[in-house]
Amino acid sequence: DTGVSQDPRHKITKRGQNVTFRCDPISEHNRLYWYRQTLGQGPEFLTYFQNEAQLEKSRLLSDRFSAERPKGSFSTLEIQRTEQGDSAMYLCASSLADLKQGRYEQYFGPGTRLTVT
Amino acid sequence: DQQVKQNSPSLSVQEGRISILNCDYTNSMFDYFLWYKKYPAEGPTFLISISSIKDKNEDGRFTVFLNKSAKHLSLHIVPSQPGDSAVYFCAASRFVAAGNKLTFGGGTRVLVKP
Repeated sequence: DTGVSQDPRHKITKRGQNVTFRCDPISEHNRLYWYRQTLGQGPEFLTYFQNEAQLEKSRLLSDRFSAERPKGSFSTLEIQRTEQGDSAMYLCASSLADLKQGRYEQYFGPGTRLTVT
Repeated sequence: DQQVKQNSPSLSVQEGRISILNCDYTNSMFDYFLWYKKYPAEGPTFLISISSIKDKNEDGRFTVFLNKSAKHLSLHIVPSQPGDSAVYFCAASRFVAAGNKLTFGGGTRVLVKP
């Protein structure tokens, strides 16, 4: 059994460059979420997918951010023209909504730490 | 506007004793609550959850209590072990609507002393 995986684990980039992160969810999970966490704060919601459909985007997600989940499997998060304020831990989570059990817990990957210099 | 708050940034407890972590929320639409534990350089790990139709849920050493009228939940860890030293986040969501996106508190750092 593999959990949620993310790649890369660390990324250092110069301001103005584009970066792309990948998330592979738990295979049977239909929902996939992206969060961002900065130092000393809890994770903040960015966007989520149900299968391949992106159903909600936070106002935190500026036009420089785009996420995809082709074929409802892995997902990518791209940041264009990175800024120093984008430096954070980017977390991916997946879940399988279980209506019968009333359980909706999300399982998180290890995160990608982005540093913009 | 912080909808989920953990007012204690840190907690120190002796091994074997009870750890009590508190969390308050303001959005009355929240009806599903979770606790996560996070070690450095790792993603949050799910611990326990509770829906608003219950006031208590127990799983091993972990018990979550929900007081809807006070918009307050707490996590009890008994007995505390050194491996429990981590940052704990409470999170809240709407059970069915909004895709269950989680709103997190700021975390409480727990140190369990041997």
